[in-house]
Amino acid sequence: ETGVTQTPRHLVMGMTNKKSLKCEQHLGHNAMYWYKQSAKKPLELMFVYSLEERVENNSVPSRFSPECPNSSHLFLHLHTLQPEDSALYLCASSQDAPHTGQGYHEQYFGPGTRLTVT
Amino acid sequence: AQKVTQAQTEISVVEKEDVTLDCVYETRDTTYYLFWYKQPPSGELVFLIRRNSFDEQNEISGRYSWNFQKSTSSFNFTITASQVVDSAVYFCALSEGTNTGNQFYFGTGTSLTVIP
Repeated sequence: ETGVTQTPRHLVMGMTNKKSLKCEQHLGHNAMYWYKQSAKKPLELMFVYSLEERVENNSVPSRFSPECPNSSHLFLHLHTLQPEDSALYLCASSQDAPHTGQGYHEQYFGPGTRLTVT
Repeated sequence: AQKVTQAQTEISVVEKEDVTLDCVYETRDTTYYLFWYKQPPSGELVFLIRRNSFDEQNEISGRYSWNFQKSTSSFNFTITASQVVDSAVYFCALSEGTNTGNQFYFGTGTSLTVIP
């Protein structure tokens, strides 16, 4: 595997279900990100992890719970979602230490998980 | 206020035509970075270019070229002799030098369709 991979690629879940999205990066990066992409809206940054420590949480509802067990893996745990949470969820990684403010390295993205909440 | 504006929502061109995608940004930082990404139908955003605020030289890579103008806060992207494979959504993004979370501010994207 190369680059950034995400599983599953498609997910349909009911509002009472619990599911998890998985992201894995094979680039040796030290920062990972979750984004939400909805139609006609800019990408929304949800969470940032640097060296496995969360450094940014952009006021995301608690029904989204991230987990970063190591620098190569990132999870997004989902529970009691709403239909408006239906979107493409993108994972990205970069070679950065975000807490230093060095925001110049490009982020590499995975193919995304298309989530539909029914 | 939107930090990155891509006013063109959708563009259609006939194959082999040139096309320019506009990007206007807003920041008070003197150090910042601009990016272009391509998102084909498969969904994955593909990195195309990074430009820092101190380097105003235009760049050309094959059929792609970028025009960075600080005076107008613009970072436009031109595809020369477009091809069907260029059909995708293109995003412009800004990262500010003072941010501590490496947040990228993305525009809403321009959907390009190249008609054969």
